[in-house]
Amino acid sequence: DAKTTQPPSMDCAEGRAANLPCNHSTISGNEYVYWYRQIHSQGPQYIIHGLKNNETNEMASLIITEDRKSSTLILPHATLRDTAVYYCIVRVFGNAGNMLTFGGGTRLMVKP
Amino acid sequence: SAVISQKPSRDICQRGTSLTIQCQVDSQVTMMFWYRQQPGQSLTLIATANQGSEATYESGFVIDKFPISRPNLTFSTLTVSNMSPEDSSIYLCSVYISTHYEQYFGPGTRLTVT
Repeated sequence: DAKTTQPPSMDCAEGRAANLPCNHSTISGNEYVYWYRQIHSQGPQYIIHGLKNNETNEMASLIITEDRKSSTLILPHATLRDTAVYYCIVRVFGNAGNMLTFGGGTRLMVKP
Repeated sequence: SAVISQKPSRDICQRGTSLTIQCQVDSQVTMMFWYRQQPGQSLTLIATANQGSEATYESGFVIDKFPISRPNLTFSTLTVSNMSPEDSSIYLCSVYISTHYEQYFGPGTRLTVT
C-alpha cells in the first residue's frame, strides 16, 4: 500500500469546517483513499472512501486532487464529539488480503 | 455493518502470565485480523486469522508469543503469552466484510501488565 503523510495534530472551532489534509504521492491507479477515525478508547470507525471523484456521505466529504496525490477530508460542521485521531489510508478496493495499514494519523481537537 | 464484541474489555495481569482475548462477530466472516495499539501509538497488525488454516503473522510477531485460534467463521481468540510490561497495549479485533468491501473494528481490550 502507498504511504500517506498527515499533519500530527490540528485544532478546529466548534461549528466550523474541519479540513484534514493527506498526501499520498505514490498512490497506484487501483488504490482507493480511505478515511477512518478513532475516538478515544474506541476501535477505529470507517468514515468515507473514494477513488478519484469527490465523495460525500452523512459524516463527511472527501476531496481528491485530479492527480490523486493528495486528498482532504472535510467535516462540514465540527462538533466536540468529532475530537479524534483521523487516519488516511490507501489500499486496493475489495482486496481482503490487503488489510488496512495505519500511519500516524492527525489528532483533531475541536474546541468550544 | 458488523457488530464485534471483545472479552475482556480490560485486564491487569502479572508479568509472566498469559491472557486470552476473545472476539465474537455477529455474522460469518472469512478474514479476521488482530491489531495492537501501544500507548500513544497507531495500530499495528499482528496477524491475519483465517478459518481452517494457520494464522499469518506480520514481521516482529510470532506464534509462540501470540497464538491465535479461529475455530469457526464468527469467533477468534488471541493469547498474549508470558507477558511483560512491554505488552501493555490495546488489542483490537477486526473483520473484513466482502459484501461491503469494508473493514470493521471491535472496541478493543486494554491490557496492563504489571
